[in-house]
Amino acid sequence: EAEVAQSPRYKITEKSQAVAFWCDPISGHATLYWYRQILGQGPELLVQFQDESVVDDSQLPKDRFSAERLKGVDSTLKIQPAELGDSAMYLCASSHRDRGPMNTEAFFGQGTRLTVV
Amino acid sequence: GQQVMQIPQYQHVQEGEDFTTYCNSSTTLSNIQWYKQRPGGHPVFLIQLVKSGEVKKQKRLTFQFGEAKKNSSLHITATQTTDVGTYFCAGKTGNFGNEKLTFGTGTRLTIIP
Repeated sequence: EAEVAQSPRYKITEKSQAVAFWCDPISGHATLYWYRQILGQGPELLVQFQDESVVDDSQLPKDRFSAERLKGVDSTLKIQPAELGDSAMYLCASSHRDRGPMNTEAFFGQGTRLTVV
Repeated sequence: GQQVMQIPQYQHVQEGEDFTTYCNSSTTLSNIQWYKQRPGGHPVFLIQLVKSGEVKKQKRLTFQFGEAKKNSSLHITATQTTDVGTYFCAGKTGNFGNEKLTFGTGTRLTIIP
């Protein structure tokens, strides 16, 4: 069964350091999402790609976060410099582009648990 | 920006009792999806509703989409211990090719055996 792959699963970094997360979506999925989930809260959309283009990054703290999906396949999310408040689960998800009434559910990866110390 | 709220935030029920979570969006949605997240896991898709007033059932789960396409509910009949987890609604907005999926705040369900 196809899955969304994320790495690393866990990351501990010191504040002010740089950190990067990688995501490989399900083959053929045009839409890729990066969400941040703080414990006990719902996933918060950071950035959404349609193929290689950003369609929404309104909630991405652009002074320290960046995301790219250069060839419209896998994606990288970077934080530089990391702050204590960035500690959270970073979830990547992918889906087919919208097709009217057909299901376009998001398939999530296992996530990267980031701890900033 | 768009907000999607869910109530209640937490629900503790005795096994066998019913459970309902309500979802409200600040804006009209093109569709609504429901996800379940087990403790320590990632969200897993349950269902998608598209039409105004739509009702769908999956065994003991009943999903409704409001007439105005701004609210939704999930009802579980006769809960079981396997129902434990956090239930999220996620609303889709935007134009074709530029849709955004916004998750609700979630309702955490715990079952007392």
